[in-house]
Amino acid sequence: AQSVSQHNHHVILSEAASLELGCNYSYGGTVNLFWYVQYPGQHLQLLLKYFSGDPLVKGIKGFEAEFIKSKFSFNLRKPSVQWSDTAEYFCAAIIKGAQKLVFGQGTRLTINP
Amino acid sequence: DTAVSQTPKYLVTQMGNDKSIKCEQNLGHDTMYWYKQDSKKFLKIMFSYNNKELIINETVPNRFSPKSPDKAHLNLHINSLELGDSAVYFCASSHEQTRDEAFFGQGTRLTVV
Repeated sequence: AQSVSQHNHHVILSEAASLELGCNYSYGGTVNLFWYVQYPGQHLQLLLKYFSGDPLVKGIKGFEAEFIKSKFSFNLRKPSVQWSDTAEYFCAAIIKGAQKLVFGQGTRLTINP
Repeated sequence: DTAVSQTPKYLVTQMGNDKSIKCEQNLGHDTMYWYKQDSKKFLKIMFSYNNKELIINETVPNRFSPKSPDKAHLNLHINSLELGDSAVYFCASSHEQTRDEAFFGQGTRLTVV
């Protein structure tokens, strides 16, 4: 079955620490990949997306993600986190020919000041 | 201008009642979705509509009936509400052809008591 999995359920970091959140997908074909962020009480907002081309994509607020096809992974990174990055992060994928965006379980990120 | 708007934002109701949530998008997208986010923040697709036609129904109980009067609107009607229906419901839209990002509404927090 098509799925997206995020390894970390809850990550706690201090400000200025580096961040990497894991994401793996289980599709064999062409896939578009996304990272969304949900701040407390807010709706989902797009951080970045990958369709094709350079596997290292840069998004808003200093986030980036690397698509590694051989590992079926699309990990999210940020070199130095801020307290305002506290939120829920969702990896998502949509495969060619499909009509739905499939989400991972989400990772709660807590940044301590 | 709000791209995807849902009403109401909060809905508290008793078991057995019937309620509706409205969704409108002004992005000119041809595909709209309803997602359910449970208490663990897991996002699961419920329905997908493309140009007013139902494309996906993810084994949602038939107490849930989506209605799309035109491609800019996708409303969700729920009959005989149950405690387990308590969740946050997100409407979203995207452009079907490009498989681009989905834009989400603010969410409707439904509490069944």
